[in-house]
Amino acid sequence: RKEVEQDPGPFNVPEGATVAFNCTYSNSASQSFFWYRQDCRKEPKLLMSVYSSGNEDGRFTAQLNRASQYISLLIRDSKLSDSATYLCVAYSGGGADGLTFGKGTHLIIQP
Amino acid sequence: NAGVTQTPKFRILKIGQSMTLQCAQDMNHNYMYWYRQDPGMGLKLIYYSVGAGITDKGEVPNGYNVSRSTTEDFPLRLELAAPSQTSVYFCASSVKGDTGGYTFGSGTRLTVV
Repeated sequence: RKEVEQDPGPFNVPEGATVAFNCTYSNSASQSFFWYRQDCRKEPKLLMSVYSSGNEDGRFTAQLNRASQYISLLIRDSKLSDSATYLCVAYSGGGADGLTFGKGTHLIIQP
Repeated sequence: NAGVTQTPKFRILKIGQSMTLQCAQDMNHNYMYWYRQDPGMGLKLIYYSVGAGITDKGEVPNGYNVSRSTTEDFPLRLELAAPSQTSVYFCASSVKGDTGGYTFGSGTRLTVV
């Protein structure tokens, strides 16, 4: 059974701080990974893909650890607007039904 | 650029009623999906389509039906609504099926009473 596990939080973080959260996946055959952001009562939106070598997009850094089967998301200099739920997603192949979504980590940035 | 459009945004159904959730995309994406999201739970795939005329079951297809007569439209039909179908339904589309770059619609909040 494909599983993607996340700490649901909430993570309460002061504005300007750095926050990181992980996601573990059970299917060692998972090929690619993504972070989505979902605001309250809104649809998920792709935040970034996660590459094997790690990748950075502005204040956001994503890392992949295949040996331990987890991915991470680091947010630096957090903003109030970063408050959202962050969904971890793994693709395990097999075609269009190969995506597995985690339940999400709720992040609250406090002023 | 509309992206993925879902209607209605909200709906209350009585047990046993039927309805169709509409989904349309204007990005010429071949792949389209229907997910449901229950509170505190991950997105669960109901049905998907890799092109006009082709549909396949996802993880939780029972109680639902779909059709894909055109590239643009992918309606989801609920027959004999049950309280267990109370959820938020998201339609999504993508260029390919093996990437995570999905575009989601804004969702339909359905309550079955």
